[in-house]
Amino acid sequence: NAGVTQTPKFQVLKTGQSMTLQCAQDMNHNSMYWYRQDPGMGLRLIYYSASEGTTDKGEVPNGYNVSRLNKREFSLRLESAAPSQTSVYFCASSEAQGNNSPLHFGNGTRLTVT
Amino acid sequence: GEDVEQSLFLSVREGDSSVINCTYTDSSSTYLYWYKQEPGAGLQLLTYIFSNMDMKQDQRLTVLLNKKDKHLSLRIADTQTGDSAIYFCAESADDYKLSFGAGTTVTVRA
Repeated sequence: NAGVTQTPKFQVLKTGQSMTLQCAQDMNHNSMYWYRQDPGMGLRLIYYSASEGTTDKGEVPNGYNVSRLNKREFSLRLESAAPSQTSVYFCASSEAQGNNSPLHFGNGTRLTVT
Repeated sequence: GEDVEQSLFLSVREGDSSVINCTYTDSSSTYLYWYKQEPGAGLQLLTYIFSNMDMKQDQRLTVLLNKKDKHLSLRIADTQTGDSAIYFCAESADDYKLSFGAGTTVTVRA
């Protein structure tokens, strides 16, 4: 049981380049999320998808777009990367709507923008 | 996140108890969580507590909640080297969104 799988694990981009971070979960979860983790700031929510077919902005959506391709997959796109987007990106999923639905995290994508 | 605060570092001797503290501001928080992050990995849920509880114990872990002071703590008994990690406090008052603290890096020394 793979859980939440993110690709790639590492990426280096030049300013202005674009890329898509991929995420897939095999737990039949309804909700999926993208977070970024920066030193001393914890995790901040970029976008989330409460269910297949819906997406909503989180705390720090600027510079990003998302696609909930199907129930399993939720991708994050950087159209024109900036050095401020250097971070570790985590995808997560949860079973259902409701507070007691723990998040399951992938192992992260470490992105450097030069 | 700005709504959840934790101290950044804790050093503890192997075999001692560790206590990690967290404060939050949202009085409508219904669930509070502790996550553990080991190097190079994502976050794993350690335990959670519902806001109408004062305490929850799970093997070596004890969670204490003071709702009046909006203070949450995680106690790890008999701390081992494998407990070295970053521990995140998180609160949820909304169906989908968690607010995370900045994380406490716990270092266990021999």
